[in-house]
Amino acid sequence: AQSVSQHNHHVILSEAASLELGCNYSYGGTVNLFWYVQYPGQHLQLLLKYFSGDPLVKGIKGFEAEFIKSKFSFNLRKPSVQWSDTAEYFCAVSPWANNLFFGTGTRLTVIP
Amino acid sequence: DTAVSQTPKYLVTQMGNDKSIKCEQNLGHDTMYWYKQDSKKFLKIMFSYNNKELIINETVPNRFSPKSPDKAHLNLHINSLELGDSAVYFCASSADRGDGYTFGSGTRLTVV
Repeated sequence: AQSVSQHNHHVILSEAASLELGCNYSYGGTVNLFWYVQYPGQHLQLLLKYFSGDPLVKGIKGFEAEFIKSKFSFNLRKPSVQWSDTAEYFCAVSPWANNLFFGTGTRLTVIP
Repeated sequence: DTAVSQTPKYLVTQMGNDKSIKCEQNLGHDTMYWYKQDSKKFLKIMFSYNNKELIINETVPNRFSPKSPDKAHLNLHINSLELGDSAVYFCASSADRGDGYTFGSGTRLTVV
């Protein structure tokens, strides 16, 4: 079945540690890729997106993601996390217009 | 100037009641969506409307009915509420290019 997979359910890091969250998808063809963040009690905010071009995408708040087509992956990274990055992170795939499917989310807890 | 606004933010109601959640977007987007986020934070698409026509209807009980009076509004009506309907419901919208999805702040529905 077509899906979006986030293998890390809960990640706990100390401040200043580096972050990498995995995302894999199984949709064929050209897809648009997104990472969203949901801070506690808040709505979804777009961190970054990839449509085409440079597979290394830079987003807000120091986040970046790399699209590796051969691996069907779009992993999120941040070199040094802060306590304020504590949130739920969602990878999402749009395999065609007007469709956006989410992964199960990864909860990130950053310990001061 | 909220781009996608939902009301109410919180809704507590008894089993068996009928309730509606309203959503409005001022982005001029062509498609609007309803997502359900369960207690495990999983986001599942429920409906989408494009130019007042339903184009996605996932396996959602027919107690849920989307109503779109115009392109800027997509309301969610729920009949005979059940305990399992308790969740956070997010409205979203996108342009036809599918290059960006904007989410509302969510409605936390609690059925008692």
